[in-house]
Amino acid sequence: AQSVAQPEDQVNVAEGNPLTVKCTYSVSGNPYLFWYVQYPNRGLQFLLKYITGDNLVKGSYGFEAEFNKSQTSFHLKKPSALVSDSALYFCAVRDMGNSNYQLIWGAGTKLIIKP
Amino acid sequence: SAVISQKPSRDICQRGTSLTIQCQVDSQVTMMFWYRQQPGQSLTLIATANQGSEATYESGFVIDKFPISRPNLTFSTLTVSNMSPEDSSIYLCSGGQGVDTGELFFGEGSRLTVL
Repeated sequence: AQSVAQPEDQVNVAEGNPLTVKCTYSVSGNPYLFWYVQYPNRGLQFLLKYITGDNLVKGSYGFEAEFNKSQTSFHLKKPSALVSDSALYFCAVRDMGNSNYQLIWGAGTKLIIKP
Repeated sequence: SAVISQKPSRDICQRGTSLTIQCQVDSQVTMMFWYRQQPGQSLTLIATANQGSEATYESGFVIDKFPISRPNLTFSTLTVSNMSPEDSSIYLCSGGQGVDTGELFFGEGSRLTVL
C-alpha cells in the first residue's frame, strides 16, 4: 500500500539554525514527491517537487529537499530558518504508475521557529 | 500557476441544512479535487471532480451527501447536504495543470461550522 510518514508532529528550531523536516514514503513504483506548506488559516502552497534527475531539488523560500531512493526519504531542509517559516508542512507522494493523479499525504509537521 | 478562489470562506450553518461551496480557477486546469481538513491535520480526499460527468468519490464519501458539479475546466461546486456537527471542517478545492506531475494549487479553504 502507498503511504507517507512524517515521523515528527512538531519541530522546534531557533531562528538562524538549519532545519530539517523528515518524510519517508512507500510506493510500489517510482515516486513523484512533493512538499507543501500551509500558513495559519490559509490554503496549501506548493514548495517543491522531485520528478526525476538531480536528487537535490530547490524550491520556494530557500527550501530544498533531497531524494534518497535507498532510504525512501525526501527530507525538507533549509540552511537558516526564519521566524516566518513557522507553518504546517506536508509531504506528499504520487506513484508514477498510478493513472488517477491522486496524491498520498503525510500527517503534517508543525514547524516552529523561535526568535 | 493558477489562482483558486473559494467562497464562502467561512460559514456557520444549522443542522439539517445544506451549503454549496464554489471554486473558481483563473485558468483551465485538467484535474480538480475536493479535500476535507480538520484544523492542523492532514488532508482527506473527498472526490475528484470530473468535467461534464459524475465525480469520483473516495471510500467513505457518497454523492448524496457531497454532490459535486464541474461544468467546465475552471469551475466546480461541492455541496455538503443535510449537515450535522460532524461535518464541521475546512473544505479545500484544488486543481492541477500538470497531469504527469501532480503539482496542485489550492484555494484558501471554506471553514464550516455546523451547530
